Amino acid sequence: QVQLVQSGAEVKKPGASVKVSCKASGYTFTSYDINWVRQATGQGLEWMGWMNPNSGNTGYAQKFQGRVTITRNTSISTAYMELSSLRSEDTAVYYCARGYRRVRSYWFDPWGQGTLVTVSS
Amino acid sequence: QSVLTQPPSVSAAPGQKVTISCSGSSSNIGNNYVSWYQQLPGTAPKLLIYDNNKRPSGIPDRFSGSKSGTSATLGITGLQTGDEADYYCGTWDSSLSPNYVFGTGTKVTVL
Repeated sequence: QVQLVQSGAEVKKPGASVKVSCKASGYTFTSYDINWVRQATGQGLEWMGWMNPNSGNTGYAQKFQGRVTITRNTSISTAYMELSSLRSEDTAVYYCARGYRRVRSYWFDPWGQGTLVTVSS
Repeated sequence: QSVLTQPPSVSAAPGQKVTISCSGSSSNIGNNYVSWYQQLPGTAPKLLIYDNNKRPSGIPDRFSGSKSGTSATLGITGLQTGDEADYYCGTWDSSLSPNYVFGTGTKVTVL
């Protein structure tokens, strides 16, 4: 079955970077986008960016431009999201999600299980 | 701060129907298709509806979606206790590129 499995929880200090992985299985990794979405405790969903695993092309939400980098290793069907210059407001659960793209339409299915990133001194 | 507005909460008794609105603008809902996601407590979101009104395989027909102008609506009929969750709409927004936006989220409570 199609599945996205993420790496485990992380605790980081302010100013540090974190890199979360997302391993895909059950489908051809290079055929669909991978997106990253985060959710602070008790808050809503916030889209961070996308990547085309075939070309490596990426697109980032303006809020995270310059701080987030999405990469991939196609040989192991794994995508990565690195967020730098961490601050306490970055404490959240980070999800990867496979993206379906059509003209004027885009949706996410499935989602990874989520990775809690805690930023604390 | 989301550009798609949803009611914070809706509730109904088991077996009843609820509708959740998602209000946007011409730069998002008005010119793009909408998808909907269900997030059960403590779990990752799950796709419920895509392309405004299409259900993925395995999603019961108790869930339906529609769109009119710059608003979209999710309907849930035959409400069950297992439907208690947060629901989010989502679509592209062309005012900033690239930018996918989610709604503010709606908590559904089964009374």
